[in-house]
Order: sequence, then C-alpha cells, then structure tokens
Amino acid sequence: DAKTTQPTSMDCAEGRAANLPCNHSTISGNEYVYWYRQIHSQGPQYIIHGLKNNETNEMASLIITEDRKSSTLILPHATLRDTAVYYCIVKTGNQFYFGTGTSLTVIP
Amino acid sequence: NAGVTQTPKFQVLKTGQSMTLQCAQDMNHNSMYWYRQDPGMGLRLIYYSASEGTTDKGEVPNGYNVSRLNKREFSLRLESAAPSQTSVYFCASSDGAGQETQYFGPGTRLLVL
Repeated sequence: DAKTTQPTSMDCAEGRAANLPCNHSTISGNEYVYWYRQIHSQGPQYIIHGLKNNETNEMASLIITEDRKSSTLILPHATLRDTAVYYCIVKTGNQFYFGTGTSLTVIP
Repeated sequence: NAGVTQTPKFQVLKTGQSMTLQCAQDMNHNSMYWYRQDPGMGLRLIYYSASEGTTDKGEVPNGYNVSRLNKREFSLRLESAAPSQTSVYFCASSDGAGQETQYFGPGTRLLVL
C-alpha cells in the first residue's frame, strides 16, 4: 500500500533549481516526511526530513503544505552529481515505506 | 568510522542453498534494518531490530530469519534460497530515538539460480 506518490522521472538543467513533488494525502499528524536519494545502485543517502515546518540544510530545502498532504524537495543549484533516484518516504513507527521514487536527470 | 558495512558484496546461490548476510555498524546505533530492492523498485523492509535483543517483521519477512547478535551486528539468513529472493539487500541503522535518520550500507547483490 503506497503511502507516497511521485512522478516517475524529471529532467533539470545544470545550475537550475530542481523541484521534486510528492503527494502523501493519507499522512497522519505524527508521521514525518523523509527524503532520500540513491545514486546508481548504492545505498540510499539521507537528504532531509520534516513534520510540518519548512526545513533547510546544506543539501536541500523541504517545503510541506499547510495541510501536510504534499511536499516539495528543492535542490537549489542542481549539478550532474545530483542525478539519482529520489525517494519521498513517510515514516510510520519504526518503518520507512519506500515508493518507486523519481528518477532525476540533470542535463549539462 | 566505517558506518554500515555488509558482507559479502556479491553472492551466487543455487536454489535450496542457505546463506547468511552479515551487517555491522560502528555508530553505536540502537536500531538496525534489512531491506531488499528488486529491479526498478523501491526498498521493502524485511525485518528490523529496534534494540539489542528484539526483532520484528517488516513488509516482506517470508523466507528470511534474522539475528541481532549484539548491538553492532544484525544478520539475515536465507535457509532455502529461491529464485524469487534474487535481489539487492541493504542493511541500515539508526539511533532509534524517534525521528531518527537511517544510514545505509553499500548492499549485497544476491543471485539465486
């Protein structure tokens, strides 16, 4: 049972902002939204997480809508190294539920 | 500080053979996890251990057993491998303190013929 919905793929020009959307319409009040990415077939890498406030760190920004039914991950200045599959995950209890993610291709 | 390590990196088994995948972490984390990732799919949780001495089933536990040997190590055993278990297996750990981040190992690629 999918808890998140993401576009299958996206392209972004190098140096531009990449905005990756995610729908999580069934999210509960105490469930966090996490973003991870997976480059080639490596282990997933943590990017950012949030509950209801917008968050920013050195890698990205996370914008969560007021109703918490959707969020957007923003990579402010995409580089070729940001080409990866990006997973939006809702954490329920001890379990992360991964979907199929968005395959982001950064184009030179 | 190696983070999460997994052995072996790659393994080929015949149907019916058994094997154990090893995972260790050096971050003093309380919680550890085993996932599998099939081609073109996201990760699915097989088993997890919230703390030393405890284990719980995830989404896809059938055909697997786990052992939390100590705080550092969490192993995954396939007693009788099947072709459907051909996958990439990832181990992860977290500090188990609530909104914790999971840190992943490099994966074990398993092919069952």
